[in-house]
Amino acid sequence: DSGVTQTPKHLITATGQRVTLRCSPRSGDLSVYWYQQSLDQGLQFLIQYYNGEERAKGNILERFSAQQFPDLHSELNLSSLELGDSALYFCASSVAWGHSPLHFGNGTRLTVT
Amino acid sequence: KNEVEQSPQNLTAQEGEFITINCSYSVGISALHWLQQHPGGGIVSLFMLSSGKKKHGRLIATINIQEKHSSLHITASHPRDSAVYICAVPLNTDKLIFGTGTRLQVFP
Repeated sequence: DSGVTQTPKHLITATGQRVTLRCSPRSGDLSVYWYQQSLDQGLQFLIQYYNGEERAKGNILERFSAQQFPDLHSELNLSSLELGDSALYFCASSVAWGHSPLHFGNGTRLTVT
Repeated sequence: KNEVEQSPQNLTAQEGEFITINCSYSVGISALHWLQQHPGGGIVSLFMLSSGKKKHGRLIATINIQEKHSSLHITASHPRDSAVYICAVPLNTDKLIFGTGTRLQVFP
């Protein structure tokens, strides 16, 4: 058990809709990372937060947004969903940034129909 | 050319065999991650290393920063080792870029 909790495990929704994925980091970890894993693109870094502040941004679409709250949990909001957004979304946490070991959640499987 | 390349893409082995998975990268880095993704989808971080060698149980990871190459070895492989193994390197401190993974199947 990594200590990182992601909810929900599965999400099925229709095109055009908006969903929110939630991540609770491991106790004591201040950094939260979001990754997308799709069949054709593999694993891709989306965004990172450290202690409430955005720290690094990757290949995150404008339709997607995220935030980290004072209690350090994070949410990833996906809007105007398209079929191509169907993927596994992983959250990971680490104590700090840079060369800290990562702890992954079990992922949220999003299916857009 | 991908910035992180793994080989082989697929690997089958008999239980007990010694396994080697390779990862080459083209960017300058100071650390590399090895991840294991189970058939159910969950990801486990196996190693983060910046030099030399690390060992955890039957798993050994090595890295040569000068040659931009890392290897993951599994000794005495077991069917429960069947998974996808992914290496990842940081592009800019925290922006990990991932290899496409090596799918390992170990048969009894």
